[in-house]
Amino acid sequence: NAGVMQNPRHLVRRRGQEARLRCSPMKGHSHVYWYRQLPEEGLKFMVYLQKENIIDESGMPKERFSAEFPKEGPSILRIQQVVRGDSAAYFCASSRGTSESYEQYFGPGTRLTVT
Amino acid sequence: RKEVEQDPGPFNVPEGATVAFNCTYSNSASQSFFWYRQDCRKEPKLLMSVYSSGNEDGRFTAQLNRASQYISLLIRDSKLSDSATYLCVTRGTYKYIFGTGTRLKVLA
Repeated sequence: NAGVMQNPRHLVRRRGQEARLRCSPMKGHSHVYWYRQLPEEGLKFMVYLQKENIIDESGMPKERFSAEFPKEGPSILRIQQVVRGDSAAYFCASSRGTSESYEQYFGPGTRLTVT
Repeated sequence: RKEVEQDPGPFNVPEGATVAFNCTYSNSASQSFFWYRQDCRKEPKLLMSVYSSGNEDGRFTAQLNRASQYISLLIRDSKLSDSATYLCVTRGTYKYIFGTGTRLKVLA
């Protein structure tokens, strides 16, 4: 049973380019979360999605960042016109649902470097 | 005040030692609690959920005190492979809040 998959694992972009990060949740999981982690810092919640719905995007910057989780295919985190401050590890996690017993599992992350 | 607070450490302990980490949370409406471990430059991995009655998994014991809004993790007989950052996590309705972690280094 494959775990949460993310690609690419490493992404280098020049300032002003677009970055697209993909996340395929675990089989049977319909809830996806995106987090950002800066070096030596904790995980910061960005957005929570279910299939075709953004449930909570309160942790995502209002400009340049967007996320989607279409009916078919992976969840996508899109960063337009990247800046150096966007350099970080972006982790995706999935869970089966929001019941108390449902645990969250992480993908290996995408390390974005903006040059 | 942070929603989940942890002592960042580092805790440097010899192999075989017992070490305890504490965590406090501010949201009394938190419903679920977890400990994750994160190795350097890797993804967080679920270590264990924390139940009201306390629970044990091998050398690891987790405790929850809802009245004091306090969670603990005890590691017995530390191994070199336990060296990692331990993240305390709470969950409300659906949102997971991560502490910044406590760094543990087990020394040979």
